[in-house]
Amino acid sequence: EAGVAQSPRYKIIEKRQSVAFWCNPISGHATLYWYQQILGQGPKLLIQFQNNGVVDDSQLPKDRFSAERLKGVDSTLKIQPAKLEDSAVYLCASSHNMVSYTFGSGTRLTVV
Amino acid sequence: DQQVKQNSPSLSVQEGRISILNCDYTNSMFDYFLWYKKYPAEGPTFLISISSIKDKNEDGRFTVFLNKSAKHLSLHIVPSQPGDSAVYFCAAVGGGSQGNLIFGKGTKLSVKP
Repeated sequence: EAGVAQSPRYKIIEKRQSVAFWCNPISGHATLYWYQQILGQGPKLLIQFQNNGVVDDSQLPKDRFSAERLKGVDSTLKIQPAKLEDSAVYLCASSHNMVSYTFGSGTRLTVV
Repeated sequence: DQQVKQNSPSLSVQEGRISILNCDYTNSMFDYFLWYKKYPAEGPTFLISISSIKDKNEDGRFTVFLNKSAKHLSLHIVPSQPGDSAVYFCAAVGGGSQGNLIFGKGTKLSVKP
């Protein structure tokens, strides 16, 4: 079984620029999550999709962050404009039963 | 307000000895707990889990214990190996979390040869 694919692995941008991350979950997994992990912290949920619908985006800073999962498969997370405090690892995860969760390798974002 | 707490940022253990990683939680409605292991530059990898209806789950060298009355769980690794050196995250599901994982801050385990 192929794992959760994420790209790019690393990204360095200047503050106020925009950036997008891509995630392809495990085939057949209806639920997709984006987590933000700041250095020294545990991952924090940004948004949860069930198929192509949003289940929870209560912790997504909607003034600058957006995410979509148009066909219920892959997903993109965008930040516009980026701030220094957005420097973090962005993790995508998927699940088919909300008991087993598989994570991708993450995208490490550095905002300078 | 952190619902899942890992109060030890780091732990150092000698190879062959037991590693005990602890986790406390505040939401009594959590019904499933998971431990993840994370190496640098990789995503978290699932290690072991336990349902709230059990008090122990074992998988090879890894055992998780759950004490619901104390809202505490622990991960035991016996014997510890240098390859176990990583950051370990405790996570919980349920309690209104809509199926998303709520993580602790992690404990960095170093196993010395």
